[in-house]
Amino acid sequence: DTGVSQDPRHKITKRGQNVTFRCDPISEHNRLYWYRQTLGQGPEFLTYFQNEAQLEKSRLLSDRFSAERPKGSFSTLEIQRTEQGDSAMYLCASSAIHNEKLFFGSGTQLSVL
Amino acid sequence: AQTVTQSQPEMSVQEAETVTLSCTYDTSESNYYLFWYKQPPSRQMILVIRQEAYKQQNATENRFSVNFQKAAKSFSLKISDSQLGDTAMYFCAFMLIIQGAQKLVFGQGTRLTINP
Repeated sequence: DTGVSQDPRHKITKRGQNVTFRCDPISEHNRLYWYRQTLGQGPEFLTYFQNEAQLEKSRLLSDRFSAERPKGSFSTLEIQRTEQGDSAMYLCASSAIHNEKLFFGSGTQLSVL
Repeated sequence: AQTVTQSQPEMSVQEAETVTLSCTYDTSESNYYLFWYKQPPSRQMILVIRQEAYKQQNATENRFSVNFQKAAKSFSLKISDSQLGDTAMYFCAFMLIIQGAQKLVFGQGTRLTINP
């Protein structure tokens, strides 16, 4: 069990550019979550997958955000036309079905200049 | 909607002392979980302790224990014999027990510093 891994750890981009983050969950976990954490705040739910199906999206997830989990394994989160307000840490978590324990990765810190 | 409030932005204690972090929450539901997560400078959220709302007995994990007051909607974390490695942000979180997404609702966090 290598835990949840996220790549990259840091991303600096210019406003208007597209960025993509990757999350590799714990291998036997069916559920995968994306959260966003801004400075001084707790994480906020963005979206979640059960296997390859995206079952829920927060209203925080604007049209510029898209997430995929094509084969029910790793997931990607893409932000198009980044804005300064997108600067945050993006956390990925995974869990087994019917298990309330979420395991988090170390996050991707995005800075939009 | 559920909300979680942590009223102590920062706390600081000496090593080996006991410290209590406060958390209150608001919900009209009766079946839920409560959690304390720790986020050290490495940024990874680490589960410290969890409590099922239907259990009256307070959860304990080694030096960590909770005081769960369901009627008051209060869920405090006590850290005994604090260690330098306990220095971190601590987040209280709430999860409804429902089918579907196991969404966590987090508080704003308490920055805890353990001084040598």
